[in-house]
Amino acid sequence: QVQLVQSGAEVKRPGTSVKVSCKASGYTFTTYTLHWVRQAPGQRLEWMGWIIAGNGYTRYSQKFQGRVTIARDTSASTVYMELSSLRSQDTSVYFCARDPGGGYYFDYWGQGTLVTVSS
Amino acid sequence: QSVLTQPPSVSGAPGQRVTISCTGSSSNLGAGYDVHWYQQLPGTAPKLLIYVHKNRPSGVPDRFSGSKSGTSASLAITGLQAEDEADYYCQSYDSSLSGVVFGGGTKLTVL
Repeated sequence: QVQLVQSGAEVKRPGTSVKVSCKASGYTFTTYTLHWVRQAPGQRLEWMGWIIAGNGYTRYSQKFQGRVTIARDTSASTVYMELSSLRSQDTSVYFCARDPGGGYYFDYWGQGTLVTVSS
Repeated sequence: QSVLTQPPSVSGAPGQRVTISCTGSSSNLGAGYDVHWYQQLPGTAPKLLIYVHKNRPSGVPDRFSGSKSGTSASLAITGLQAEDEADYYCQSYDSSLSGVVFGGGTKLTVL
């Protein structure tokens, strides 16, 4: 069965970076696109960007352009999301999610990773 | 401010029917981009409920249905059950933003 398993919770200082991983299993990793979506406490879902696992092509939300990097390791079937210059407003749960066929929607989600930014 | 507008909350008694609206614009729903719906229970990841306007993934009850017309879409839930109490989000693609957009979410309360 398809599974996306994310790395554990993180606590970071303002101004630093965080890197969250998402390990995929149960399907051919390079066939799909993976996205990152975040959700601040009590807030709406917010799309951050995507990576085509097959060729590594990425696209980022204008809001996060320059601060976010999404990469993949095909040998490990893992996608990474790194967010830099963290501020308190970045405190959120970060989700990875699979796009089943370029339709810009998400059929499987990771369990989420809480990133807390606090001094 | 969300690109897709949803009512903050809706409610209904068990067995009743409720609808949740999602209003977009000419750069997303009005441009022909598909709308999708997710259900999010407290403390969990969103779950795909409806994709491409009206299709249900395997395992989603037919009590859930979706529709789209022009710049608007809606999710209907019939035969409300206590387990339906959750947050619901619509989602699409926006050509002006060149990316995925979500609605602000609607909290469904089963009275």
